[in-house]
Amino acid sequence: GAGVSQSPSNKVTEKGKDVELRCDPISGHTALYWYRQSLGQGLEFLIYFQGNSAPDKSGLPSDRFSAERTGGSVSTLTIQRTQQEDSAVYLCASSLSGGPNTGELFFGEGSRLTVL
Amino acid sequence: KQEVTQIPAALSVPEGENLVLNCSFTDSAIYNLQWFRQDPGKGLTSLLLIQSSQREQTSGRLNASLDKSSGRSTLYIAASQPGDSATYLCAVNDYKLSFGAGTTVTVRA
Repeated sequence: GAGVSQSPSNKVTEKGKDVELRCDPISGHTALYWYRQSLGQGLEFLIYFQGNSAPDKSGLPSDRFSAERTGGSVSTLTIQRTQQEDSAVYLCASSLSGGPNTGELFFGEGSRLTVL
Repeated sequence: KQEVTQIPAALSVPEGENLVLNCSFTDSAIYNLQWFRQDPGKGLTSLLLIQSSQREQTSGRLNASLDKSSGRSTLYIAASQPGDSATYLCAVNDYKLSFGAGTTVTVRA
């Protein structure tokens, strides 16, 4: 596609359930980022993938959060045993390259997660 | 840890006035800095990318300056329009991108 695609756009779940959020980056982009934006807050870094390198997971808030990127393209963010404080908009972004050469960052529309 | 601060948090101006948005960061060892716009309920749209070796970058009515040594960047929007109403965020790249909380701008017609 022409842009970064995220699904689902909205997800309502019950506390304790697992959820999966998907990100399809722009074709050819080697860098992929996940951020979380809580109501009225700034963007909180979660995880960064760059090519075939080991991902930077330093922003994941707990071991309930995990992410993978298959074939250097699509990424899935998984939240296990969801808690109400996990409610937020989860944003995915990609760029042609990362690190020092990070160019323009393209964001998806986000996945809004509500945990009841 | 990189800390990014944006002041003011909110700004309301009449149409036609110039906008000045500020971004400061604590660690000057950055590769580049980006300014983004976010409309309510939407993702972020990149406005300007300024490399650490540059002092400013321009696109239409937008101009961003960067003073890396003092840890500051300023986004200027000339002749503001109601369509400029949005939240503006800056992001500093020192390997991974750190975002400020944003400045919410309202341009009154």
